Amino acid sequence: DGGITQSPKYLFRKEGQNVTLSCEQNLNHDAMYWYRQDPGQGLRLIYYSQIVNDFQKGDIAEGYSVSREKKESFPLTVTSAQKNPTAFYLCASSITSGGNNEQFFGPGTRLTVL
Amino acid sequence: AQSVTQPDIHITVSEGASLELRCNYSYGATPYLFWYVQSPGQGLQLLLKYFSGDTLVQGIKGFEAEFKRSQSSFNLRKPSVHWSDAAEYFCAVGLSGGYNKLIFGAGTRLAVHP
Repeated sequence: DGGITQSPKYLFRKEGQNVTLSCEQNLNHDAMYWYRQDPGQGLRLIYYSQIVNDFQKGDIAEGYSVSREKKESFPLTVTSAQKNPTAFYLCASSITSGGNNEQFFGPGTRLTVL
Repeated sequence: AQSVTQPDIHITVSEGASLELRCNYSYGATPYLFWYVQSPGQGLQLLLKYFSGDTLVQGIKGFEAEFKRSQSSFNLRKPSVHWSDAAEYFCAVGLSGGYNKLIFGAGTRLAVHP
């Protein structure tokens, strides 16, 4: 089955630690995205990548970093510089980066800072 | 600036009743419009999308939406709600030009009474 997988489903972090969230897709999509979801705020774009070895900051990139070394993988690192990282993180992909392309979403990772 | 407004944070309907979820957008050009549904703790699933042509679009699970340019609206409707429709619904606008950025509304949480 084609789709997007995210791991882990739940992640706990101590303050001051960096953590990396995994996102893998086997849809052969060029574009991939990371969103953060907080209650009552919808989804906000953290980073996106239109093609391998290229990525751009979204609306709330501070305290986050990404890499895109392979087409199918787009890991997100939440660094200690992110002041309020507790949230639900969603990864998505689309065929290309045109505005009329449907984005397909993974099941999400819930990050909690202890 | 582009924005999406979903005026209703929570809606409760009885099973079998009709449903309308409101969505208004602010965008100078012709938008690409999407409705997504999210079950608790899950990713987002596309219900339907509008790019051009017939302003009434049909989606999955018996949902439909109507694009009204004069009102900058894209309301989601279903004639008879099932208990399994209880979820959170997000309206999104896709921006033309450049990358595939989606602007999401804050979401409407739907509860269904038996």
